Amino acid sequence: GDSVTQMEGPVTLSEEAFLTINCTYTATGYPSLFWYVQYPGEGLQLLLKATKADDKGSNKGFEATYRKETTSFHLEKGSVQVSDSAVYFCALSDQDQGAQKLVFGQGTRLTINP
Amino acid sequence: NAGVTQTPKFRILKIGQSMTLQCTQDMNHNYMYWYRQDPGMGLKLIYYSVGAGITDKGEVPNGYNVSRSTTEDFPLRLELAAPSQTSVYFCASSFSPGDFSDTQYFGPGTRLTVL
Repeated sequence: GDSVTQMEGPVTLSEEAFLTINCTYTATGYPSLFWYVQYPGEGLQLLLKATKADDKGSNKGFEATYRKETTSFHLEKGSVQVSDSAVYFCALSDQDQGAQKLVFGQGTRLTINP
Repeated sequence: NAGVTQTPKFRILKIGQSMTLQCTQDMNHNYMYWYRQDPGMGLKLIYYSVGAGITDKGEVPNGYNVSRSTTEDFPLRLELAAPSQTSVYFCASSFSPGDFSDTQYFGPGTRLTVL
């Protein structure tokens, strides 16, 4: 079945550093791809998404590009802040009988030090 | 709008006890979902519903039951709690039927421990 693999964490960076969190996927169809973020003590919230090959999703300075040839959707940010500390989940949307089923990666915990 | 709300926030159960995790959304969403999140793992889908009266199994349904009598509510029932059900449970909802790029909105979660 479909699956998502994220880079192992945790990741610790200094403020203003460049961030990359790798995500690759396996899917039989043409999934939509997502990054969700989970701040401490909260539920997940959508960070960005892309629906087809070569689409770039962006939000709050984060970007990710849907690369069909490498089956990847890596998350990047040019200059991280302490407030970006959270757990980041890559996910794909599996189409099945009219329902959207999300398949998640294991999550990457990011800590930004001042 | 409160969005997606879940109760309780925390619960400790003894093996064999039963309980219901409550989930309510006030966004008039058709689709609702239950996930579990084990430590260091991604979320796994337990059950989902495409509308009132319609539910279906996800990836890990064993040991759970659901019902959807109204658009707003989607409770998750654990009948005979087992230590393997120790996890954080998230409820989510989304609006657009057939839009597989739709955003899911998550509740804050229920942390359940079975001893």
